[in-house]
Amino acid sequence: DAGVIQSPRHEVTEMGQEVTLRCKPISGHNSLFWYRQTMMRGLELLIYFNNNVPIDDSGMPEDRFSAKMPNASFSTLKIQPSEPRDSAVYFCASSLGTNTGELFFGEGSRLTVL
Amino acid sequence: SQQGEEDPQALSIQEGENATMNCSYKTSINNLQWYRQNSGRGLVHLILIRSNEREKHSGRLRVTLDTSKKSSSLLITASRAADTASYFCATGGVGQGAQKLVFGQGTRLTINP
Repeated sequence: DAGVIQSPRHEVTEMGQEVTLRCKPISGHNSLFWYRQTMMRGLELLIYFNNNVPIDDSGMPEDRFSAKMPNASFSTLKIQPSEPRDSAVYFCASSLGTNTGELFFGEGSRLTVL
Repeated sequence: SQQGEEDPQALSIQEGENATMNCSYKTSINNLQWYRQNSGRGLVHLILIRSNEREKHSGRLRVTLDTSKKSSSLLITASRAADTASYFCATGGVGQGAQKLVFGQGTRLTINP
């Protein structure tokens, strides 16, 4: 079975440009999570969805960040405009949606904003 | 914050030795999970222990949980070079917070052949 699929794996862009990261969760999983990983701050939960509905977006850094989940098999994380401090590895993860479920992570999207 | 803190930050041992990593957290939890991350890859779930459990085993992994001390340990026995990775603990809160896994900063484990 395919795992969580993220694209692109690497993105290099210039400050001010729009960045869109994509995620396809594991089929049948009801919950989807976006995390950001940096050396300084570690892994931070940005937002998560249950059944395509955003449940908690308190980790989204600011209004430049937005996330959508139009259907059960696709989610996007958008940064507009991007800034150098957004450089990080962004992970998408999915789970069955139970309260204590393990997370299945994608391989991540490494974003570099120049 | 319920964020876990791992100790040590880095650990280097010889192949065949046992590796012990510790995790401390601050608030009440529903469960605690351990994940492994190889360089440049995503995190992989290793084991989950619930708040009413004290010890759990999975292959060469042994996890303990002491809720009175708000701490957990991960023991990897008979380490192998392939165990070289970063290891993270993650805590799920109580109630609606159970799904919000909060990760620690990780322990970087190096197994020397």
